[in-house]
Amino acid sequence: AQTVTQSQPEMSVQEAETVTLSCTYDTSESNYYLFWYKQPPSRQMILVIRQEAYKQQNATENRFSVNFQKAAKSFSLKISDSQLGDTAMYFCAFRMMDSSYKLIFGSGTRLLVRP
Amino acid sequence: GAGVSQTPSNKVTEKGKYVELRCDPISGHTALYWYRQSLGQGPEFLIYFQGTGAADDSGLPNDRFFAVRPEGSVSTLKIQRTERGDSAVYLCASSLQREGEQFFGPGTRLTVL
Repeated sequence: AQTVTQSQPEMSVQEAETVTLSCTYDTSESNYYLFWYKQPPSRQMILVIRQEAYKQQNATENRFSVNFQKAAKSFSLKISDSQLGDTAMYFCAFRMMDSSYKLIFGSGTRLLVRP
Repeated sequence: GAGVSQTPSNKVTEKGKYVELRCDPISGHTALYWYRQSLGQGPEFLIYFQGTGAADDSGLPNDRFFAVRPEGSVSTLKIQRTERGDSAVYLCASSLQREGEQFFGPGTRLTVL
């Protein structure tokens, strides 16, 4: 069974600084997707960034980038120039390319951006 | 609206009661997912619909939980004989195709007293 582990329950960063959130996963599959989702207090999950396992190049989306280490099964999220609006829960998620494409989530990291 | 909507936003019920939670996916999205998010946890998969049929219901915890999507659009999650342990946020997501990006609704917070 696939599992996703986020070992940092809470993180804090000063506005405009850089922070890295960690995620590890376990799977025997070779083809899959990895995601980072943001969940603000409104509860709505928002996709931040995605990575296809077959791509060696790390995904980037503006201030957000990932460090994908397939052999180590590690998928960390780096947020540069942190903004107050980045304060939220962040979830790492895994998705197989199987019949349902369901998402498997980690337990989340609460990020607080301090002014 | 253009996004996934869920009603009600909050539902408080008593132990043993029956509840229905509704999800309106984005128009044209064929895939629909239900997840359950307990306090302090990440969402857990419950069931996946492709069109009208439940293609994967492996996440439903027991036979008190049932979901339908009769016309391939709106879905209803039904919980019978609710228990206090059913208290959680129930999230719905839809995608254009099963391999596409999943767009989430704001969830329904269910509280069982």
